Amino acid sequence: GAGVSQSPSNKVTEKGKDVELRCDPISGHTALYWYRQRLGQGLEFLIYFQGNSAPDKSGLPSDRFSAERTGESVSTLTIQRTQQEDSAVYLCASSPVSGTGGAYGYTFGSGTRLTVV
Amino acid sequence: SQQGEEDPQALSIQEGENATMNCSYKTSINNLQWYRQNSGRGLVHLILIRSNEREKHSGRLRVTLDTSKKSSSLLITASRAADTASYFCATAPGNQFYFGTGTSLTVIP
Repeated sequence: GAGVSQSPSNKVTEKGKDVELRCDPISGHTALYWYRQRLGQGLEFLIYFQGNSAPDKSGLPSDRFSAERTGESVSTLTIQRTQQEDSAVYLCASSPVSGTGGAYGYTFGSGTRLTVV
Repeated sequence: SQQGEEDPQALSIQEGENATMNCSYKTSINNLQWYRQNSGRGLVHLILIRSNEREKHSGRLRVTLDTSKKSSSLLITASRAADTASYFCATAPGNQFYFGTGTSLTVIP
């Protein structure tokens, strides 16, 4: 597609429920990143995928968080047993190539605003 | 932990004035980028400066990089109301970017 697409744009869920967030990167972008941004805060790195290599999961805050990506296409971020502290905007970004010392800018999606009540 | 920190946290100026934001980071980097965020949603890439560059321009934007001081600055000249946004620096010590906490810029018409 022309840009990075994220869905849903807003999600309200009850504490304890599981949620799945979707990211559709720009076609041909091999690198895909997930970030979390709490209200008024900076971006917190969660996970990144580069082609078929093993993902870098170093930023995932707990084992309730997981993400998958099929090849170089869509990625899903799953949060199990949601907690109120998970409320945030979840941003996805893609770039043409990774492993190059961040030589390419990211294209961000508009994010999913998750509210856990 | 976050790599970069922007300063000031908030800045309010009159339209037409220049706005300067600073970014300090902790470790050696390959590249540094600046992004803008409107209304707490997606970020827009503004400019990338490589570690071997000292200054870069793009339209009304001027970015400097001082690797000896581990700092960068973003200057927006002749500001407009539409420049009102949060601005983030992002550093790549490895293969992904780490973002600072941002500077919230308000340009008063």
